[in-house]
Amino acid sequence: KQEVTQIPAALSVPEGENLVLNCSFTDSAIYNLQWFRQDPGKGLTSLLLIQSSQREQTSGRLNASLDKSSGRSTLYIAASQPGDSATYLCAVRGYGGATNKLIFGTGTLLAVQP
Amino acid sequence: EPEVTQTPSHQVTQMGQEVILRCVPISNHLYFYWYRQILGQKVEFLVSFYNNEISEKSEIFDDQFSVERPDGSNFTLKIRSTKLEDSAMYFCASRKGVASGNTIYFGEGSWLTVV
Repeated sequence: KQEVTQIPAALSVPEGENLVLNCSFTDSAIYNLQWFRQDPGKGLTSLLLIQSSQREQTSGRLNASLDKSSGRSTLYIAASQPGDSATYLCAVRGYGGATNKLIFGTGTLLAVQP
Repeated sequence: EPEVTQTPSHQVTQMGQEVILRCVPISNHLYFYWYRQILGQKVEFLVSFYNNEISEKSEIFDDQFSVERPDGSNFTLKIRSTKLEDSAMYFCASRKGVASGNTIYFGEGSWLTVV
């Protein structure tokens, strides 16, 4: 059974710092991995999707990497801003038919201090 | 940009009452989902729906839950007799296809409070 873990659970950094969020998963047979952002009481905004054949994806100040063999993904945020404060979730999509539900991690609560 | 829309944003209901949560997925998407998040816990899969039938459901999705796509645009989740432990944020999501590059898009969620 796939388990997804994120560390740290919470992180506080001063504005301008570069930071790394970690995601690990127990079953390396994944179809893809998505990183989401969740603001308090709000929905999930997709940030990046990495397919199983890819090693990394970039969008603006965000860079996500994937190492399937070790069961790890990282989300790198460059030059953090107070507006980046949110919970960041990773989710893996496994094989097993057309539906391929997402299995979510527990999230990392990020606070960027001005 | 197309988005998944959900109504209501927040609903308070008495234990034992029926609740219907509504979703309008992105128009050219074919795969639809409901997830839920109990306060402080992980986002959990409830059910997936494709070609007008349930494709997969979790053990949470018991007989009190049902889903329907009544008119080709709406996708609903019905909870027949709500319990206190059904209090959660319910997210609707949709995806265009099965290819690995297809992103799943989530709505803003419906907060359900059962009292």
